[in-house]
Amino acid sequence: GDSVTQTEGLVTLTEGLPVMLNCTYQSTYSPFLFWYVQHLNEAPKLLLKSFTDNKRPEHQGFHATLHKSSSSFHLQKSSAQLSDSALYYCALRNNRIFFGDGTQLVVKP
Amino acid sequence: EAAVTQSPRNKVTVTGGNVTLSCRQTNSHNYMYWYRQDTGHGLRLIHYSYGAGNLQIGDVPDGYKATRTTQEDFFLLLELASPSQTSLYFCASSLRGDNQAPLFGEGTRLSVL
Repeated sequence: GDSVTQTEGLVTLTEGLPVMLNCTYQSTYSPFLFWYVQHLNEAPKLLLKSFTDNKRPEHQGFHATLHKSSSSFHLQKSSAQLSDSALYYCALRNNRIFFGDGTQLVVKP
Repeated sequence: EAAVTQSPRNKVTVTGGNVTLSCRQTNSHNYMYWYRQDTGHGLRLIHYSYGAGNLQIGDVPDGYKATRTTQEDFFLLLELASPSQTSLYFCASSLRGDNQAPLFGEGTRLSVL
């Protein structure tokens, strides 16, 4: 069946360092992948979604590349900011939505 | 602007009590979803619906019923609430199509004492 795996439950890093949050997936089809961000006491909000034409989506300095060969959609940013501290979910849609367990990102000064 | 509205935002009930959580969207979305969010478990799908009168079972349906009365309204029912159902509940909606990302409501925090 379809599933999403986020291997890191918690990522802690210093402001200004690069961010990479891992996301791999299993699917019988070629699904669309999404990244959601959830700040404390807020709802999850869409951050990025994959494109069908191999373009790299970008938003708020974050980007992600869909690699079908490795079934991955890792989230990256060149320089972390304090305001990036949040819970990040990777998800895929194949009719219904499948979410990973989430990665808590903590950015310290 | 597209929005998903949940009510109530907070609810406290006792074990064995009856609770209904409401969700309304006016985005003309076909799909609606109910999730619960607990620390260490992420977002878990309870029930979802393709449209009015349709109901699909999610991954953690035990103890929950749901009903989609109209295109806009999706309700989650806990008929005999238990402390294990204390959680943060999110409703979401989306258009049909695998490239359509769900839009989430602001959540309902439920405590079962």
